[in-house]
Amino acid sequence: DIQMTQSPSTLSASVGDRVTITCRASQSISSWLAWYQQKPGKAPKLLIYKASSLESGVPSRFSGSGSGTEFTLTISSLQPDDFATYYCQQYNSFTWTFGQGTKVEIK
Amino acid sequence: EVQLVESGGGLVQPGGSLRLSCAASGFTFSSYEMNWVRQAPGKGLEWVSYISSSGSTIYYADSVKGRFTISRDNAKNSLYLQMNSLRAEDTAVYYCAREISGGITIFGPVGYFDYWGQGTLVTVSS
Repeated sequence: DIQMTQSPSTLSASVGDRVTITCRASQSISSWLAWYQQKPGKAPKLLIYKASSLESGVPSRFSGSGSGTEFTLTISSLQPDDFATYYCQQYNSFTWTFGQGTKVEIK
Repeated sequence: EVQLVESGGGLVQPGGSLRLSCAASGFTFSSYEMNWVRQAPGKGLEWVSYISSSGSTIYYADSVKGRFTISRDNAKNSLYLQMNSLRAEDTAVYYCAREISGGITIFGPVGYFDYWGQGTLVTVSS
């Protein structure tokens, strides 16, 4: 199975900060990567698909980049609603795998 | 509006069985692949199982293979997960998720999950 590794596991930031989360795949997954946001007690919400395509309705401060084995999720100016846990997910094969998550906390 | 509503979770003893359901509405259920994803308390997301739109193709994570069975009833707009021989490590919130086609890979067409239900908690404990 393809392993997904996110860094950092926890990130402390302030409102207005630029935030970057990295996701690495154990083998090339082309651009078959999605990013999700999850808040406590809630279901995950799709943010980005195909590495860099913004899901409809998602604020433009979220962006994704990368291909092959290295990917990033960037929040250009962190807002109070963005404090949450973020997961990457590969969909290159029929065994979907997620990163372990990155919790974005208030500094 | 797309809605996915899971039900059937609860407390079950190790070795027991449980059947989860996911009721879909707001879209043409029979046209979409569906998945189950779980999340153990305080842990990350783990994909559990996939079923094609017709039900003819099914995949499982190794951790549940041989114990869990995914199925669907397109006439009832419903997805199911039959869970047998449950273990303490199966304790989790179980989500159903709609899959949307992402493209064609060397493995065939695969997709990502655009809508998720609110989840149902399964607790395996004596």
